[in-house]
Amino acid sequence: AQSVTQLDSQVPVFEEAPVELRCNYSSSVSVYLFWYVQYPNQGLQLLLKYLSGSTLVKGINGFEAEFNKSQTSFHLRKPSVHISDTAEYFCAVTLGGSGAGSYQLTFGKGTKLSVIP
Amino acid sequence: DTGVSQDPRHKITKRGQNVTFRCDPISEHNRLYWYRQTLGQGPEFLTYFQNEAQLEKSRLLSDRFSAERPKGSFSTLEIQRTEQGDSAMYLCASSFGSYWETQYFGPGTRLLVL
Repeated sequence: AQSVTQLDSQVPVFEEAPVELRCNYSSSVSVYLFWYVQYPNQGLQLLLKYLSGSTLVKGINGFEAEFNKSQTSFHLRKPSVHISDTAEYFCAVTLGGSGAGSYQLTFGKGTKLSVIP
Repeated sequence: DTGVSQDPRHKITKRGQNVTFRCDPISEHNRLYWYRQTLGQGPEFLTYFQNEAQLEKSRLLSDRFSAERPKGSFSTLEIQRTEQGDSAMYLCASSFGSYWETQYFGPGTRLLVL
């Protein structure tokens, strides 16, 4: 079974500073990787996803993530954060394919990003 | 698209009561998912429909839980004989096509069991 670890439960960062939110996964088969963001009182929204191809994936709101197969990581980065980026961020994986579990997302526990003015 | 909608947004009930939640997916989305999110945790998969067929159920989905998606449109999630441990946010998502397609989430139904 696959699993996702988000090592940092909370990350405070000053406005306009860079940020990296870490995500590591564990799976015996190939996985597909996602980052979702959850703003207060709103549903989860997809930031970006990695399916195949280039390991550097660009998403919405200036976020990007890099897939590293050897380190089983998919860290999320942004070069300069804004107050509006304050939210909770979830890393998720799915197995893909046509077998059992191929459609369900397995999420990490989330990282709360707090942007300080 | 109007997005995924869920009703009610909040529900307070007493232990032992039955509750039912509704999810309306984005129109024409053939796949519908239910997840549960407890405080400090990420969402956990409960069950998944392709059209009207329930194709997967998590071990988290005890026999007190039942989900339906009649005619492949909206879905309902019923919890019978609620327990305090059922208190959580219940999230619905929908998607169209293959596994790599984005799952679009609704705002969730927050359940509190007293």
